[in-house]
Amino acid sequence: DTGVSQNPRHKITKRGQNVTFRCDPISEHNRLYWYRQTLGQGPEFLTYFQNEAQLEKSRLLSDRFSAERPKGSFSTLEIQRTEQGDSAMYLCASNPETHNSPLHFGNGTRLTVT
Amino acid sequence: AQTVTQSQPEMSVQEAETVTLSCTYDTSENNYYLFWYKQPPSRQMILVIRQEAYKQQNATENRFSVNFQKAAKSFSLKISDSQLGDTAMYFCAFNTGTASKLTFGTGTRLQVTL
Repeated sequence: DTGVSQNPRHKITKRGQNVTFRCDPISEHNRLYWYRQTLGQGPEFLTYFQNEAQLEKSRLLSDRFSAERPKGSFSTLEIQRTEQGDSAMYLCASNPETHNSPLHFGNGTRLTVT
Repeated sequence: AQTVTQSQPEMSVQEAETVTLSCTYDTSENNYYLFWYKQPPSRQMILVIRQEAYKQQNATENRFSVNFQKAAKSFSLKISDSQLGDTAMYFCAFNTGTASKLTFGTGTRLQVTL
């Protein structure tokens, strides 16, 4: 079990640029989740996948955000036309489909938009 | 709306002492799961303990136990024999569905001192 891996660890970008983050879940986990954590707050749910299907998206996920999990393994989260308000830690987590099994989180990608 | 409230932004405890972190939540659902997650500085979030709402018995995991009061919608975490490695942000969270779309509180920063 190598754990959930996220890349890059840190990303600094200028406002208006596009950024893409990658998450590699634990290999036997078919569910993958994206959360966003801003300073001083707890994580907020963004979206989740079961295998390659994106089953739910939060209202927090504006149309500038898109997530994919094309082969049901790794996932990418892209933010287009970044804004300063997008600055946050983006957390990926995974678990098996077993009812309410614990989430395994990655170390996150910290995005800073200047 | 489902909410989680952690009213203690910061707490401090001496090594080997006991500390209790408070959490209240609000939901209209009857079946749900409650969690405490730990986020050490610059490290990934990990599950500390979880409780199914339909179970009356309080969950325990070694030095960690909860006091679950369903009627009061309260879910506090007790850490016994505190250790330096317990220093972290602690997040209370709950989930009402089958997927892990957790609602988190704002966290309590716990510092364990010598």
